[in-house]
Amino acid sequence: AQTVTQSQPEMSVQEAETVTLSCTYDTSESDYYLFWYKQPPSRQMILVIRQEAYKQQNATENRFSVNFQKAAKSFSLKISDSQLGDAAMYFCAHNAGNMLTFGGGTRLMVKP
Amino acid sequence: EAGVAQSPRYKIIEKRQSVAFWCNPISGHATLYWYQQILGQGPKLLIQFQNNGVVDDSQLPKDRFSAERLKGVDSTLKIQPAKLEDSAVYLCASSWSRGYYNEQFFGPGTRLTVL
Repeated sequence: AQTVTQSQPEMSVQEAETVTLSCTYDTSESDYYLFWYKQPPSRQMILVIRQEAYKQQNATENRFSVNFQKAAKSFSLKISDSQLGDAAMYFCAHNAGNMLTFGGGTRLMVKP
Repeated sequence: EAGVAQSPRYKIIEKRQSVAFWCNPISGHATLYWYQQILGQGPKLLIQFQNNGVVDDSQLPKDRFSAERLKGVDSTLKIQPAKLEDSAVYLCASSWSRGYYNEQFFGPGTRLTVL
């Protein structure tokens, strides 16, 4: 069974600064995808970034990038130049065999 | 492109009552998912449909929960009878297909409160 752990229940960052959210996972699958989802207070979950386990190059999407360490089963999200609109719950998720498993989430607060 | 639609957005019932939630996925999406998100936790998959067939319902409490996806489009999730611990947000999601690389698109959810 897959498990996903987010050890930081809450994080805070100053506007325009950089913050890193941590995620570790456990899986017996050799091929899988990892995702970071954002859930603003309105509750609609949206995809931020995804990473295929077989790709060594870390994924980037504008101000969002990941640090994927396959051997360590670590998948952290870095948000650069933080904006007020980045404030939300962030969920790390693992997908193998068609089942998406989520971590417990990290609440990100952005201070003006 | 219209997103995943869910209704109602909020529902308050008393324990032992019945409740139903409706989901309309993105047009053309073959795979539909129902998740339960308890306050302070990440979503947990309840059931997954491929077209109108159930792919995975291993985490669905079948003694009280049921779901269907008639004609492979809309879906309904029902709880009968509800318990206090069923209080949660119920999220519906859809994707083009079942592959693990597929992005899942989520609806706004239905917040259920059981008193």
